Amino acid sequence: GAGVSQSPRYKVAKRGQDVALRCDPISGHVSLFWYQQALGQGPEFLTYFQNEAQLDKSGLPSDRFFAERPEGSVSTLKIQRTQQEDSAVYLCASSQLTVSYEQYFGPGTRLTVT
Amino acid sequence: TQLLEQSPQFLSIQEGENLTVYCNSSSVFSSLQWYRQEPGEGPVLLVTVVTGGEVKKLKRLTFQFGDARKDSSLHITAAQPGDTGLYLCAGDNQGAQKLVFGQGTRLTINP
Repeated sequence: GAGVSQSPRYKVAKRGQDVALRCDPISGHVSLFWYQQALGQGPEFLTYFQNEAQLDKSGLPSDRFFAERPEGSVSTLKIQRTQQEDSAVYLCASSQLTVSYEQYFGPGTRLTVT
Repeated sequence: TQLLEQSPQFLSIQEGENLTVYCNSSSVFSSLQWYRQEPGEGPVLLVTVVTGGEVKKLKRLTFQFGDARKDSSLHITAAQPGDTGLYLCAGDNQGAQKLVFGQGTRLTINP
């Protein structure tokens, strides 16, 4: 595709529900990143994949957050038992290189937990 | 934890004026990127600077990386309403893959 796509664009969940957010990176991009952006703030790193390997998950805020990229392309970020503090925009980015300082972002998924 | 601090956080000026946004850190970065983000969209990469002292120009935008690779600035000449948006600086930690972002500068250009 032409760019990184994410779905859904908007998600409203009741507190305690599980959610799954999808990211389709730019075709051929080796590296994939998830970031969380709170209202009025810059994005904060959650986790990073190189192909199917999750090389860094140091930014995941709790064990309720889980990410996977089983075939080295599409990735899913799953949040279990959502809490109100999980409300944020979740951004996915991909990079062509293993040295990944130029990252291309999708439009994000806005998650609202009520 | 590496931090990038942007200033100002908010800036509202008239069309035609010049402005500078700053991005500062106590840490050294291998490279630094500037992104622009519109409401409801993801950040869009504007430029990457990698060499201390480097200056890059993108039309009316001038980006500079500090000599010590700890800070950067974005200067806009003759600002236009289309420049309105959230400007984010981001740096990559040497050897790591993740980007560290500043909190952003929300720029409004009034016609």
